[in-house]
Amino acid sequence: QKEVEQDPGPLSVPEGAIVSLNCTYSNSAFQYFMWYRQYSRKGPELLMYTYSSGNKEDGRFTAQVDKSSKYISLFIRDSQPSDSATYLCAMSLPLIQGAQKLVFGQGTRLTINP
Amino acid sequence: EAGVAQSPRYKIIEKRQSVAFWCNPISGHATLYWYQQILGQGPKLLIQFQNNGVVDDSQLPKDRFSAERLKGVDSTLKIQPAKLEDSAVYLCASKGFSTDTQYFGPGTRLTVL
Repeated sequence: QKEVEQDPGPLSVPEGAIVSLNCTYSNSAFQYFMWYRQYSRKGPELLMYTYSSGNKEDGRFTAQVDKSSKYISLFIRDSQPSDSATYLCAMSLPLIQGAQKLVFGQGTRLTINP
Repeated sequence: EAGVAQSPRYKIIEKRQSVAFWCNPISGHATLYWYQQILGQGPKLLIQFQNNGVVDDSQLPKDRFSAERLKGVDSTLKIQPAKLEDSAVYLCASKGFSTDTQYFGPGTRLTVL
């Protein structure tokens, strides 16, 4: 079993729709939970970051973490064609010397159709 | 602020050949990471440096991969000899001391024929 599971999609929705992206995880040691967005032929860029259960909102994006169920979600409201990208969930594991290691999900490829 | 720079952007080699990738992190960032991203998968951490010391290289195939970070700034990742399954995008990322955010470069796309 992978430490982080993410449905690879692809997911295709019309412009303006609400998008829900999800990941599950198995390792209780994960401390921080992140969502990265990756456009084609680009490196991932951090979209949302949270470390506790509950919701965190940033503009059209909401990140939700449920540690008891080991489940995280990203919601995109009023989706735009520019949101078309691959969305990667990532979770951090503590290492020695205060360092952190990121474990990524497989990524969900999202297309927003005009 | 300049981002993470990587070169080359693309590389095509034959199997059993050698290849090297270069990364220049964001100025002042002490932590540097190399990831391998196979098509359709998320990035997988290969090696993590704190300044010029290795923090984690547990997923680095050490029989063929090597990495170094001289003077705690630039880093190179080398594959020798390359195998077909090494075809992937190799991403470099860096992180400052006072943040948990990793900043990624554009990656080097390696094709092994």
